[in-house]
Amino acid sequence: DAKTTQPNSMESNEEEPVHLPCNHSTISGTDYIHWYRQLPSQGPEYVIHGLTSNVNNRMASLAIAEDRKSSTLILHRATLRDAAVYYCILREAMNRDDKIIFGKGTRLHILP
Amino acid sequence: DVKVTQSSRYLVKRTGEKVFLECVQDMDHENMFWYRQDPGLGLRLIYFSYDVKMKEKGDIPEGYSVSREKKERFSLILESASTNQTSMYLCASSLLSGLAGETQYFGPGTRLLVL
Repeated sequence: DAKTTQPNSMESNEEEPVHLPCNHSTISGTDYIHWYRQLPSQGPEYVIHGLTSNVNNRMASLAIAEDRKSSTLILHRATLRDAAVYYCILREAMNRDDKIIFGKGTRLHILP
Repeated sequence: DVKVTQSSRYLVKRTGEKVFLECVQDMDHENMFWYRQDPGLGLRLIYFSYDVKMKEKGDIPEGYSVSREKKERFSLILESASTNQTSMYLCASSLLSGLAGETQYFGPGTRLLVL
């Protein structure tokens, strides 16, 4: 499976934008880029996903590099509730098994 | 609102006991998954099922079994609990569409301590 690389941890101030990077240099043409996050004492939750184009939803934006070898999750205005571990995951298209391989993720600390 | 529930948030068992962890989803999803999460190791897939009575081994199935008698329920069984099975157990479900865009919905987790 194609692998992702993320920083172990990041810090950001409350109410400021946060850019969480992810490298996936071995991504294949059919891999989707997914982001999940895990709040303390909870199960992971879906954040956003994309293939080639940048994506926006109510939680975040996903910026995908033109060569698709990296992507950035953008939280436009971080709050204390956004403190979590963020996972960048590649998922193969038409994968019947639908398994998700979680890496170590980035632990995001939000400073008040 | 989508919902995946797990039978217990916290569980304490003794070595050698048989342990049942139950997971129920109300979204009519075909796929269901069991993961365990340990510090420094992230989430690891134990077993998954894409249909009633079907099961597939994940990455770390040893010491575990599963049961899927009804579509909405997926049980994880520890036949003889051991201390190295102390962990956070997470259940998830998703639609079987064959597309990579389907979201997996996770339960709140069961923190199991084996003494």
